[in-house]
Amino acid sequence: AQTVTQSQPEMSVQEAETVTLSCTYDTSESDYYLFWYKQPPSRQMILVIRQEAYKQQNATENRFSVNFQKAAKSFSLKISDSQLGDAAMYFCAYRSVHSGGGADGLTFGKGTHLIIQP
Amino acid sequence: EAGVAQSPRYKIIEKRQSVAFWCNPISGHATLYWYQQILGQGPKLLIQFQNNGVVDDSQLPKDRFSAERLKGVDSTLKIQPAKLEDSAVYLCASSWTGLETQYFGPGTRLLVL
Repeated sequence: AQTVTQSQPEMSVQEAETVTLSCTYDTSESDYYLFWYKQPPSRQMILVIRQEAYKQQNATENRFSVNFQKAAKSFSLKISDSQLGDAAMYFCAYRSVHSGGGADGLTFGKGTHLIIQP
Repeated sequence: EAGVAQSPRYKIIEKRQSVAFWCNPISGHATLYWYQQILGQGPKLLIQFQNNGVVDDSQLPKDRFSAERLKGVDSTLKIQPAKLEDSAVYLCASSWTGLETQYFGPGTRLLVL
């Protein structure tokens, strides 16, 4: 079974600064997807960024980028120019590509609470 | 495009009572998921549907939890009887097919007293 570990329960950053959230995972599969989801107090899970394991190029979405190290099984999220609206829980998630019977639910880490200080 | 709808948003019940949650996925999405998110943890998959068939229910406590998606559109998750440890947020998500991005609803917060 796959596991996802987020070792930082809470991170704090000054507005306009850069912050990096860490995620490691354990899998024996060679092909998979990795995600970062944001969950504000409203509880709605919002996709931030997605990375396919077969792609060597790191994914970017505006101020959000990832550092994907497949050999190290590491998938960190970098948020540049932090804004007050970035404050939320951030979850790292894993999904198999070729699960038996088509099962492809997400496996989540425990989350990192990101605080933005004005 | 309307998002994933869930109701109710909040529910408080006493232990041993029953409760049901409803989810309406994004129109056209064939795959529907129910997740349980206990306070301080990430969501955990309970069950996955592909149209009206169950793909994965390996983590569903089948002695008390049940779910259905009879017409391949909306879905209901039921707990009977509820236990204190069932207090959590229940999230519904949907995707076009299993390999596409999952979109989440706002969740239902359940408190069992």
